[in-house]
Amino acid sequence: QVKLLQSGAALVKPGASVKMSCKASGYTFTDYWVSWVKQSHGKSLEWIGEIYPNSGATNFNEKFKGKATLTVDKSTSTAYMELSRLTSEDSAIYYCTRLHYYDGYYPSYYFDYWGQGVMVTVSS
Amino acid sequence: DTVLTQSPALAVSPGERVTISCRASESVSTGMHWYQQKPGQQPKLLIYGASNLESGVPARFSGSGSGTDFTLTIDPVEADDTATYFCQQSWNDPYTFGAGTKLELK
Repeated sequence: QVKLLQSGAALVKPGASVKMSCKASGYTFTDYWVSWVKQSHGKSLEWIGEIYPNSGATNFNEKFKGKATLTVDKSTSTAYMELSRLTSEDSAIYYCTRLHYYDGYYPSYYFDYWGQGVMVTVSS
Repeated sequence: DTVLTQSPALAVSPGERVTISCRASESVSTGMHWYQQKPGQQPKLLIYGASNLESGVPARFSGSGSGTDFTLTIDPVEADDTATYFCQQSWNDPYTFGAGTKLELK
């Protein structure tokens, strides 16, 4: 079965960076885009960006350009997201998701599997 | 960005029918999807492409709509359906989510 296993919670100081991982299993890692989603405490969800493991191609929400860096290690089927110059606004839960392509009459993409999330707390 | 507007909360009794709405600020065709999130858990996909039921999701859940107006229906509602429901569009860049509708059981 498809699983996305994310790294553990992180407590980081303002101005620092944090790198989190998302290990995929149960499917061919290089066949699907991996997206990252932010959920601030008690709030809604924001799409950060996506990476295609086969080529390393990325797309970002303009809001997160310069904030997030996405990479993959194909040998271990693991995706990574690094967040830089952290502030209190970056304190949130971050999810990795698998992006599924729906080849219907009107094609679209949706997030069919989600990791368990990584809680990042930015505090001095 | 495409703004998705959802009503903040609903309260229904078990066995009733509930509809959760999501209105988009511009057309998203049928690129609308629905997720359920229970406290302390990651979101779970319910409906994709506006009206397609994800495998393993009970047939009590259904979706409809196109363009700017969409609905998630649960019929009948069960106690386990207590959760927050998010709509999400993938037709326009960037992907965006609604603020969520919190469903409570009376």
